[in-house]
Amino acid sequence: AQKVTQAQTEISVVEKEDVTLDCVYETRDTTYYLFWYKQPPSGELVFLIRRNSFDEQNEISGRYSWNFQKSTSSFNFTITASQVVDSAVYFCALSDQTGANNLFFGTGTRLTVIP
Amino acid sequence: NAGVMQNPRHLVRRRGQEARLRCSPMKGHSHVYWYRQLPEEGLKFMVYLQKENIIDESGMPKERFSAEFPKEGPSILRIQQVVRGDSAAYFCASSQRQGAVTEAFFGQGTRLTVV
Repeated sequence: AQKVTQAQTEISVVEKEDVTLDCVYETRDTTYYLFWYKQPPSGELVFLIRRNSFDEQNEISGRYSWNFQKSTSSFNFTITASQVVDSAVYFCALSDQTGANNLFFGTGTRLTVIP
Repeated sequence: NAGVMQNPRHLVRRRGQEARLRCSPMKGHSHVYWYRQLPEEGLKFMVYLQKENIIDESGMPKERFSAEFPKEGPSILRIQQVVRGDSAAYFCASSQRQGAVTEAFFGQGTRLTVV
């Protein structure tokens, strides 16, 4: 069965600190996709990244970076030099061939960046 | 090129009333997915529709909920005789290709409050 676990319910950091949000997933499929979304206080869902299971290269986009490790079934997200605007709920999600029509979301991590 | 449009953004209904949530997919997209986000939870898949067809409704509650995506016009998620437990954010996503939820774009959501 598919499952996404975000064990950190809430995290608070002081501005300019680095922070890593953890995501552990479960799937029996060999082909799958992993996602991160940001949900700011305004409520919309902002797409951040999609990664397929055959691409284990880490990715960096500005202050954001992602560490995909199949060996530990993890897809962690790091924000470097955090800013107040990073305060949001962050969701990790999985889509695989078994559930090809839908995304399985974790319960989210609420990040608060304190100025 | 407008994104996925959902309306209304906020909807208040009294218990027992009907709620109708609309989703206009991106231009050229003929596949729509509905998700529900209960308070403090991640999004959960409800239903996947193509124009005039329900493809996968495995996440839809068995009673009071229905969805359609007519040949013309937006997709509609309809909740009859709403109860307090229906209070949630309802998100719609659309994709161009069949079953391509991995390429889907999300709307801004409709926040339903049942009083």
